[in-house]
Amino acid sequence: DTGVSQNPRHKITKRGQNVTFRCDPISEHNRLYWYRQTLGQGPEFLTYFQNEAQLEKSRLLSDRFSAERPKGSFSTLEIQRTEQGDSAMYLCASSTQGSEAFFGQGTRLTVV
Amino acid sequence: RKEVEQDPGPFNVPEGATVAFNCTYSNSASQSFFWYRQDCRKEPKLLMSVYSSGNEDGRFTAQLNRASQYISLLIRDSKLSDSATYLCVVNTPSGSARQLTFGSGTQLTVLP
Repeated sequence: DTGVSQNPRHKITKRGQNVTFRCDPISEHNRLYWYRQTLGQGPEFLTYFQNEAQLEKSRLLSDRFSAERPKGSFSTLEIQRTEQGDSAMYLCASSTQGSEAFFGQGTRLTVV
Repeated sequence: RKEVEQDPGPFNVPEGATVAFNCTYSNSASQSFFWYRQDCRKEPKLLMSVYSSGNEDGRFTAQLNRASQYISLLIRDSKLSDSATYLCVVNTPSGSARQLTFGSGTQLTVLP
């Protein structure tokens, strides 16, 4: 499968724990996006990478959130000290310049 | 004011009906426009890009009015399989990056 891959698909964690999600974009795509989506809402932009450089970070991304794309290929999104309000679907997308974005199936996070 | 606003919906229409969705965007510097479709608990997928001259793909017609900052999607002869959430998406300049900004989506249910 050459689409965008996200792992894990589901994550249940206790409040206060740290979680890390992984995204493997389509191999020739240099742009990578992270979005968060809650029920009944469209995806909200979190952060954007062009190759390994993190070029944009939303105000939604508190200091508990960090994202990396160390070699310009896969990316990780870490949430430290999770809160119940972090429960959402976390979507990763990739694209090339000028193309539409292709999404992974997402990681559904539940903080209990 | 949200950067991308859509009809709140939901739209419940009978099979064969014609239905139209509207979307407005606030950033006049936006350059690319898309409609994405999202099925329940699935990732968003590109339905069609929106061009200034308007474009059609089978039963779907998208139009863009840059002066009014308005985008529309028309679905003719709706099918049961068209039931989904339709997301208006705008490529918006932000800092050094262009990011995809999503509307909250309009839910469509096509009834038999």
